Amino acid sequence: DQQVKQNSPSLSVQEGRISILNCDYTNSMFDYFLWYKKYPAEGPTFLISISSIKDKNEDGRFTVFLNKSAKHLSLHIVPSQPGDSAVYFCAASGNSDSWGKLQFGAGTQVVVTP
Amino acid sequence: DVKVTQSSRYLVKRTGEKVFLECVQDMDHENMFWYRQDPGLGLRLIYFSYDVKMKEKGDIPEGYSVSREKKERFSLILESASTNQTSMYLCASSPPGTPPYEQYFGPGTRLTVT
Repeated sequence: DQQVKQNSPSLSVQEGRISILNCDYTNSMFDYFLWYKKYPAEGPTFLISISSIKDKNEDGRFTVFLNKSAKHLSLHIVPSQPGDSAVYFCAASGNSDSWGKLQFGAGTQVVVTP
Repeated sequence: DVKVTQSSRYLVKRTGEKVFLECVQDMDHENMFWYRQDPGLGLRLIYFSYDVKMKEKGDIPEGYSVSREKKERFSLILESASTNQTSMYLCASSPPGTPPYEQYFGPGTRLTVT
């Protein structure tokens, strides 16, 4: 059973507008959440993370919001650019797991149109 | 810059063949991981290793084995390839389990089993 879920397989957004990607999780022991970006024929690259003790983390155009009570996080990309077209994976890790294993969601394909 | 390399970008094998996928990292990371990526399923952990000669099963280890004889190298072995093992295989590495548990990925190997 997937512990991290991304229920939107795809998202289309106009260049310059905001992209909002959503992620839900079921395991309350998760204490870190990460977003990865993946282009075709390349490995995923780390984008941004958030600790469970925070509710927001910002890095340039990317902001991640965490709502622990709802077990929900979202990634905002503002403004969206054509180079943001990629698959985005949400991932989570728990402090009980010292090996740093990550549980990944199924991914959301983002297409930014001119 | 962390570099994770995988021996092949594309591989075509026949059913029943023994397949070796090699992964090398140059950052002296203790942890190494093998995932497979399938549409709609995201990244699923096959095996991971936290030290030389140490290995742990991930979520989907059936049909696979691994070898880690040197710290920088982690091999995934398909003992007898089957068509349902056609997938994108991704290797990753990370330092010991410290937040935010960022993993560094290789470019992936697209394996087709016919």
